[in-house]
Amino acid sequence: AQSVTQLGSHVSVSEGALVLLRCNYSSSVPPYLFWYVQYPNQGLQLLLKYTTGATLVKGINGFEAEFKKSETSFHLTKPSAHMSDAAEYFCAVRRGGGSNYKLTFGKGTLLTVNP
Amino acid sequence: DARVTQTPRHKVTEMGQEVTMRCQPILGHNTVFWYRQTMMQGLELLAYFRNRAPLDDSGMPKDRFSAEMPDATLATLKIQPSEPRDSAVYFCASGLEAGGPETQYFGPGTRLLVL
Repeated sequence: AQSVTQLGSHVSVSEGALVLLRCNYSSSVPPYLFWYVQYPNQGLQLLLKYTTGATLVKGINGFEAEFKKSETSFHLTKPSAHMSDAAEYFCAVRRGGGSNYKLTFGKGTLLTVNP
Repeated sequence: DARVTQTPRHKVTEMGQEVTMRCQPILGHNTVFWYRQTMMQGLELLAYFRNRAPLDDSGMPKDRFSAEMPDATLATLKIQPSEPRDSAVYFCASGLEAGGPETQYFGPGTRLLVL
């Protein structure tokens, strides 16, 4: 079974500061990993995903994440926070290969950006 | 810009009433997912359809919840009778499964309050 742990339910940064949102996963097989963002009163939007290949994945809005198998981590980063980045972020894992469809989501991390 | 649409966006009802939520997946997508989001449980998968066939509804309380896809452009989630513990945001997502890990595109959600 897969599971996802997001360390820190709430992260607060200043505008222009580094954003680091942590995600660790557990999977018995090579996983597919995803980061989604949810703005208030909206659905989830895919930021980026890792399936195979390059372990550093670039997504939308300047975000990127690195798959580290040895650490079972997939942390999300952005060099410089913008006010518009304030939202809730969800890490998700899915079993790799075949037609495995089930996404297991973390509990989410609420990002606050202070002016 | 193709989007998943959900109706209604908000629903307030009394315990015991029937609730029907509707979802229009993105045209051409062949997978549909229903999720429930609560503060306590986070995002939970309720049901999964591929090519209109229900493949997984293990996340749904069977006695009161039902999900259907009458046609490729409409998915429904019904609760009968509704209970206060069903209060949550219900998301529909659609994707195109073609042998790889499809991206799930989320609708804006239906916010349900059962009194």
